[in-house]
Amino acid sequence: DAEITQSPRHKITETGRQVTLACHQTWNHNNMFWYRQDLGHGLRLIHYSYGVHDTNKGEVSDGYSVSRSNTEDLPLTLESAASSQTSVYFCASSEGQSETQYFGPGTRLLVL
Amino acid sequence: TQLLEQSPQFLSIQEGENLTVYCNSSSVFSSLQWYRQEPGEGPVLLVTVVTGGEVKKLKRLTFQFGDARKDSSLHITAAQTGDTGLYLCAGAPNAGKSTFGDGTTLTVKP
Repeated sequence: DAEITQSPRHKITETGRQVTLACHQTWNHNNMFWYRQDLGHGLRLIHYSYGVHDTNKGEVSDGYSVSRSNTEDLPLTLESAASSQTSVYFCASSEGQSETQYFGPGTRLLVL
Repeated sequence: TQLLEQSPQFLSIQEGENLTVYCNSSSVFSSLQWYRQEPGEGPVLLVTVVTGGEVKKLKRLTFQFGDARKDSSLHITAAQTGDTGLYLCAGAPNAGKSTFGDGTTLTVKP
């Protein structure tokens, strides 16, 4: 069955370190998204991609970057982790013009 | 300013009760999605409503899209403890990117 996976599921890091969160989908979807979820803020869009080599900034993109070298993967990099980036991160994918998104299980990140 | 306003933010009820949660906006949406998220997991799609005035039923859950396509509601009949979770609405206004409401956290007590 097609799925979307994230790794690691939990991560503890220190401020200033570079961190990369992985997202892999086997739906063969062109569209992929990264969100962060914090209490009181719901899901906020960080970056998104509509296809290979396409990346776009979302509403909270500062301090984050993504790259899309193939259809299946959209890794999220925190260039220099900050305590404000402690959050739960969700990756999602969707097909074509569909607004239905399929979410991964999330990565819980703690920046000390 | 949140594009999609969900209410109430929190709801705690007894098993067997009925409830309605709301998703409102001043913008028109081509469609709205409802997701349920359980603790430690990602959101899972429940339904998509597309046509103004549309009503969709999913077992004990009834979803309605407003006539003007600016709002939606989710009604649960005879709630069960398994309905506990965070209910999120989402939509893309005017062919823009999808945006999510902050959600309604529902607790159904036995």
